[in-house]
Amino acid sequence: SAVISQKPSRDICQRGTSLTIQCQVDSQVTMMFWYRQQPGQSLTLIATANQGSEATYESGFVIDKFPISRPNLTFSTLTVSNMSPEDSSIYLCSVEDPDLGGRANEKLFFGSGTQLSVL
Amino acid sequence: GQSLEQPSEVTAVEGAIVQINCTYQTSGFYGLSWYQQHDGGAPTFLSYNALDGLEETGRFSSFLSRSDSYGYLLLQELQMKDSASYFCAVKGRYSYKLIFGSGTRLLVRP
Repeated sequence: SAVISQKPSRDICQRGTSLTIQCQVDSQVTMMFWYRQQPGQSLTLIATANQGSEATYESGFVIDKFPISRPNLTFSTLTVSNMSPEDSSIYLCSVEDPDLGGRANEKLFFGSGTQLSVL
Repeated sequence: GQSLEQPSEVTAVEGAIVQINCTYQTSGFYGLSWYQQHDGGAPTFLSYNALDGLEETGRFSSFLSRSDSYGYLLLQELQMKDSASYFCAVKGRYSYKLIFGSGTRLLVRP
């Protein structure tokens, strides 16, 4: 299993500012995933963060808007830059179960989420 | 790519049985997962079907039919605390990404 500490849990931000979300995992993991979830909607993958390399972004998400850091195997940050009201959402980090191996590992553990409201 | 479709909402009474369906389109995948998410909470893993057939975990069972591109989550002896959103998910065989379905909101009534 894995326990993820994510912060902040919520924030209200002004348009044009930036917010950095942090996730700390209690074990070393290769990949960390960042998802976005609009109210009442599904989870959409933003990017995958690997230690020692640039994050891999999904279609519709760019590094300038969502820069990611992955300085070691237990920590990652996601920044939401130059925010607009359309960025209001829940942001979640997640990792695969470190006790399971292989490419078929589909058991994810999630942080508690960051509820972002942009005014 | 992958796409997964689920009913948007299901309502059932306490003590009943409910089935949440998931149909998918994917070019090769390992298996089908299910996650539960209560309002205001993070998703939590429920089950995983790597093979066709039924997997049972307590009151919850999950089924997969690869030939029909179809799976379902079966919840028995429904309790009020089962009111939540349920997501099916797949990881493509040549991908490291878990893609989630549209989600089904289950409302359990007394």
